[in-house]
Amino acid sequence: DGGITQSPKYLFRKEGQNVTLSCEQNLNHDAMYWYRQDPGQGLRLIYYSQIVNDFQKGDIAEGYSVSREKKESFPLTVTSAQKNPTAFYLCASSPQQGNQPQHFGDGTRLSIL
Amino acid sequence: GNSVTQMEGPVTLSEEAFLTINCTYTATGYPSLFWYVQYPGEGLQLLLKATKADDKGSNKGFEATYRKETTSFHLEKGSVQVSDSAVYFCALSDHGNRDDKIIFGKGTRLHILP
Repeated sequence: DGGITQSPKYLFRKEGQNVTLSCEQNLNHDAMYWYRQDPGQGLRLIYYSQIVNDFQKGDIAEGYSVSREKKESFPLTVTSAQKNPTAFYLCASSPQQGNQPQHFGDGTRLSIL
Repeated sequence: GNSVTQMEGPVTLSEEAFLTINCTYTATGYPSLFWYVQYPGEGLQLLLKATKADDKGSNKGFEATYRKETTSFHLEKGSVQVSDSAVYFCALSDHGNRDDKIIFGKGTRLHILP
């Protein structure tokens, strides 16, 4: 079955440490997205990529970095510059053409030790 | 710019009650509209969609009609179940924006009491 796989499901970070969240899709989608969701809140866009080797900042990109070396993969690094990283992180993908819905992974919950 | 506004929650209903979650939008082009559902600890799942005015999206007993004249896409269900307890997000995609981002509402938490 096609879908989006996020790993790990739970992740713990020590102060001053960078961590990388994985997102892989086998839907052959061109566009991929990272969102942050805080408890009881909506989604906030961190970064998105419409094509391999290209990506754009979303609304809250500070303290995060991404890469898009392969169509299937869009990893997110939460750097030590992100002072409040505890949140639920969601990855999504969509076809490039038209007003298509996004497909979501099951998320990664990041906590600070 | 484009935006989505949906009613604040939480919404608490008894089982078998009628559900309406209001959603209105602002868009410069001709958007597609979506409702997503998020169960605890999971990602968002597409519940239904509508791509043009007067279209009705439906799935699992939920319905929403794309009303261009009132810029609305309200979610309805005739008889809710405990298993419908979740957070519901209204969203729009406006390809005319040329960046293919989807705009999400803030979500409405629904509690169904047995």
